[in-house]
Amino acid sequence: DIVMTQSPDSLAVSLGEKATIGCKSSQSVLYSSNNKNYLAWYQQKPGQPPKLLIYWASTRESGVPDRFSGSGSGTDFTLTISSLQAEDVAVYYCQQYYSTPDTFGQGTKLEIK
Amino acid sequence: QVQLQESGPGLVKPSETLSLTCTVSGGSISSYYWSWIRQPPGKGLEWIGYIYYSGSTNYNPSLKSRVTISVDTSKRQFSLKLSSVTAADTAVYYCARAGSPEYCSSTSCFFDPWGQGTLVTVSS
Repeated sequence: DIVMTQSPDSLAVSLGEKATIGCKSSQSVLYSSNNKNYLAWYQQKPGQPPKLLIYWASTRESGVPDRFSGSGSGTDFTLTISSLQAEDVAVYYCQQYYSTPDTFGQGTKLEIK
Repeated sequence: QVQLQESGPGLVKPSETLSLTCTVSGGSISSYYWSWIRQPPGKGLEWIGYIYYSGSTNYNPSLKSRVTISVDTSKRQFSLKLSSVTAADTAVYYCARAGSPEYCSSTSCFFDPWGQGTLVTVSS
């Protein structure tokens, strides 16, 4: 199985500041045939299901604010929130869908400082 | 837009079989993969398995011996059965649609949208 490790486990950022969450996979999730990274990011607010933010490591899902961006390739990935808003308080998960079984990171809890 | 809703018992006794159904509304069940994912209280996400609308399945090896996922396209429903449950199976169970195949790898995909989830507690 591909192990996904997120960092940090929790993060406190001031409103309007940048938040950065890391995700590392135990093996590459880059398909050489199409040069795409099979890595997704989700946001989960309390009492709600996860919501897809980004797929293919950097493609923003329709309707997701452009302050959310994804970057990285191979085994190292980053989710960046450029200017933190109060409604961004949540737990964020990365997921690899390169190979079965699909696996998720342990989650990063984002709070307001 | 597509919406998913889980239904089933919220309490299951140890050693019995957990059974849940996901009803799809607002869109077709065809041409997509459908999935079950669970989340123990206060913990992270665990993928359980996929089913294609045609009936082909792929399960997490960690649960494969106990899991069956089936689909009823006429009712726009797919179902989860997990046998021989223990307290470790207590979790919120989510159903979700996987991306359309052109967005997925040969075995796996991302999930969007998700149902609201249903808490299943295993206890006598």
